[in-house]
Amino acid sequence: RKEVEQDPGPFNVPEGATVAFNCTYSNSASQSFFWYRQDCRKEPKLLMSVYSSGNEDGRFTAQLNRASQYISLLIRDSKLSDSATYLCVVARFMDTGRRALTFGSGTRLQVQP
Amino acid sequence: SAVISQKPSRDICQRGTSLTIQCQVDSQVTMMFWYRQQPGQSLTLIATANQGSEATYESGFVIDKFPISRPNLTFSTLTVSNMSPEDSSIYLCSVEGRGLTDTQYFGPGTRLTVL
Repeated sequence: RKEVEQDPGPFNVPEGATVAFNCTYSNSASQSFFWYRQDCRKEPKLLMSVYSSGNEDGRFTAQLNRASQYISLLIRDSKLSDSATYLCVVARFMDTGRRALTFGSGTRLQVQP
Repeated sequence: SAVISQKPSRDICQRGTSLTIQCQVDSQVTMMFWYRQQPGQSLTLIATANQGSEATYESGFVIDKFPISRPNLTFSTLTVSNMSPEDSSIYLCSVEGRGLTDTQYFGPGTRLTVL
């Protein structure tokens, strides 16, 4: 089983739609959680951190459920520019004190006019 | 977040040759990370590079194949040695942001094609 699992998609949605992505992680020692966005042929860029209380940034809402080891990302009022691959990322501290990130394989979103 | 640059941005190489990728950061950082992203896949950590010590390699990656240098706190290189077509990938360096809950920020990547 992969340490971080995502639905690969693609999700094809019309402009203005609301779309939700889910992610599950297997390591209960995971401490920090993030969503990254990766455009085609570009590097991943941090979209937002995910907190237990849930957090919102404009049209984007991220939620974390530690008991179920589940993370979600909700995008409201989708724009054409939201088309990208969304990576779920989980971090934990190793015995060495180093922080290790594990990346999901990504969910592809295509917003259509 | 730090500004990270990589050279080259892309290259096409013959099998059996080696390529050295450079990563430059605009501020001093303790750790730098090298990742690989194969076509259609997510990111896999190759190794962590600390200044003044040997790099720490992840399972499945060895120093002979991916030697790393870290001569100072703003620069690192990754060499892909004795390349084969299976090494065709995007190679990305990253650095940690500040703070305990901060994450990593990535350079633009080097797109490598091995013929």
